Formats: sequence, C-alpha cells, structure tokens
Amino acid sequence: NAGVTQTPKFQVLKTGQSMTLQCAQDMNHEYMSWYRQDPGMGLRLIHYSVGAGITDQGEVPNGYNVSRSTTEDFPLRLLSAAPSQTSVYFCASSSGTGTYEQYFGPGTRLTVT
Amino acid sequence: DAKTTQPNSMESNEEEPVHLPCNHSTISGTDYIHWYRQLPSQGPEYVIHGLTSNVNNRMASLAIAEDRKSSTLILHRATLRDAAVYYCIVYNQAGTALIFGKGTTLSVSS
Repeated sequence: NAGVTQTPKFQVLKTGQSMTLQCAQDMNHEYMSWYRQDPGMGLRLIHYSVGAGITDQGEVPNGYNVSRSTTEDFPLRLLSAAPSQTSVYFCASSSGTGTYEQYFGPGTRLTVT
Repeated sequence: DAKTTQPNSMESNEEEPVHLPCNHSTISGTDYIHWYRQLPSQGPEYVIHGLTSNVNNRMASLAIAEDRKSSTLILHRATLRDAAVYYCIVYNQAGTALIFGKGTTLSVSS
C-alpha cells in the first residue's frame, strides 16, 4: 500500500491564482480530512469527509472547497489564493472515528506571494 | 471533543524513560485518548490510543488514570529519533476528525 499520497510536495502561487491540492489513499478508508499547519502551530481542520459524496466544514474552511466523488480521492481547491493561505497542508484518512487510527500524508508546502 | 492540556516542552536524555502527561478533565465515557507525534518536516504519525485500560505497543505505553481525567504517554527508552511534537487528543466515536492542540515538544539529548 502507498498509504496517503499528496501532490505536489511544494507549490508557489501568486495572489489570486487558483489551484488544487491532491490527496489519495489506497486503504479504502471512508474518513478523509484536510488540515493546515502554520509555523510553530498545531494542525487546524479545514474540511473533512465521512464518505463519497459527503463533506463538511472544519475549523478554518474559508477560502477552500472540497469534493469527494470517489472513496480514494479528496482534493482541496483554493479558489483565489491569498498570502494568509501560506502554510503546510496535510491530508489524513481513517476507517472511522473513536478507536480508529488516522494516517497522514507527507504534506504540501504552499507559499502564496 | 474534550479539550486537553499538555506542557509546552519537555527534555530527556537518550536511553532514559520519558513520561509525557496530558490532562483531559472534561472527557466523556465514550471518548478515546489518542497520541500522535510529528517529527520535523513530516506529517503526524499515530503512536497509541486507549479507552480505559493501560495499553502497550512497540512504540510506547499509555497509562490512563482511573478517573480518566489524565493520561501519560511513556517512552521506555528515548532515542534521538523520538525528538518530536507529541499531541494528546481526545476523540469521540461520533467525532468528525482529530482536533489538535499545540502538543508537547520533546527534546532528547545524547
């Protein structure tokens, strides 16, 4: 298993540009989520999904869109990038909540100038 | 999900045991206690989790207080590779995703 994969690893955008961060998992997990981590901070939840076709907002959803058309993929879209979105983005997946372990991807480091 | 309180930082020497404390006084009966760690420039990785009883795995042990209002992650012999930020998270069966606090930064000296 490749686990949770994220692409790209690094990205530089100009203010106002849009882009999609890709996240895929090959473990048939129902739960997937996106986090951002700013320097010296813990992770903050952006959006999450409990299954294909079902998504919901987390703590910091503004400026981001998600969709979940398949179990495997959970892309994160930045509609109009802003410098405040400069961060490291992590995707995670799990079989469920509570007793289930979460698996994290390696992250995408995004810089918006 | 219940809030957790952890010390900002701790220090250890290599090959000594490390006890990382976590308070979660508002935990409910169906909340699991999870520990994750994040090595520099990497994504978080699962360490251990438990509900009521103490738990052991190849990475660590988790000691849960009888009233479940606190827990301790035990690294039996710290190595330099254990230097990381350790997050204690209370996670409900009905929860949505893990909610991270600031964690404890563990430094290990040789």
